[in-house]
Amino acid sequence: GENVEQHPSTLSVQEGDSAVIKCTYSDSASNYFPWYKQELGKRPQLIIDIRSNVGEKKDQRIAVTLNKTAKHFSLHITETQPEDSAVYFCAASSTFGNEKLTFGTGTRLTIIP
Amino acid sequence: DVKVTQSSRYLVKRTGEKVFLECVQDMDHENMFWYRQDPGLGLRLIYFSYDVKMKEKGDIPEGYSVSREKKERFSLILESASTNQTSMYLCASDGQPRSNTEAFFGQGTRLTVV
Repeated sequence: GENVEQHPSTLSVQEGDSAVIKCTYSDSASNYFPWYKQELGKRPQLIIDIRSNVGEKKDQRIAVTLNKTAKHFSLHITETQPEDSAVYFCAASSTFGNEKLTFGTGTRLTIIP
Repeated sequence: DVKVTQSSRYLVKRTGEKVFLECVQDMDHENMFWYRQDPGLGLRLIYFSYDVKMKEKGDIPEGYSVSREKKERFSLILESASTNQTSMYLCASDGQPRSNTEAFFGQGTRLTVV
């Protein structure tokens, strides 16, 4: 089955700086890569996703890049703000077979004012 | 507003008890999932279901079972609760098979087994 590894497990950045979280996956059939943000005490919520037919996607201050050859994808947050502090999860799934989401282990991002 | 609702926010149960965790979604989603969340381990899939009365094992099904008698409701059952099942349990649903759409999560149930 799919295996998703996520790094780093914790990340602290100064407010205004950029943050990058990286994930690798093992199943070459995976073709959908969402990122979820979980604020303290709240449920995970989708913030951005990318499909395998594109290499990059942006939404305001967040962007995701995908390298299918190397089987890795990354989340980039620019101009970080205190409200970006949360746990971020990457995930991977495929539309072939049972398309279940396999999550990474999470990154706790702390923005230092 | 999208809604996935779990029946309890906090539960305390005794070892050996049979425990039911309920999840209801109002989005007419086909797929429903149960995850457990533990520090450092992320979200691990226990069971999922593509349709009423259908279920599939996830990555960690041992000690759990599920029931989906109606499309909107997906129940997780701990047949005989053990202390290593103390965890946060999250239910999720998404739209269509073979389409990879956004998964919506419930608020979570923090289960403590004593």
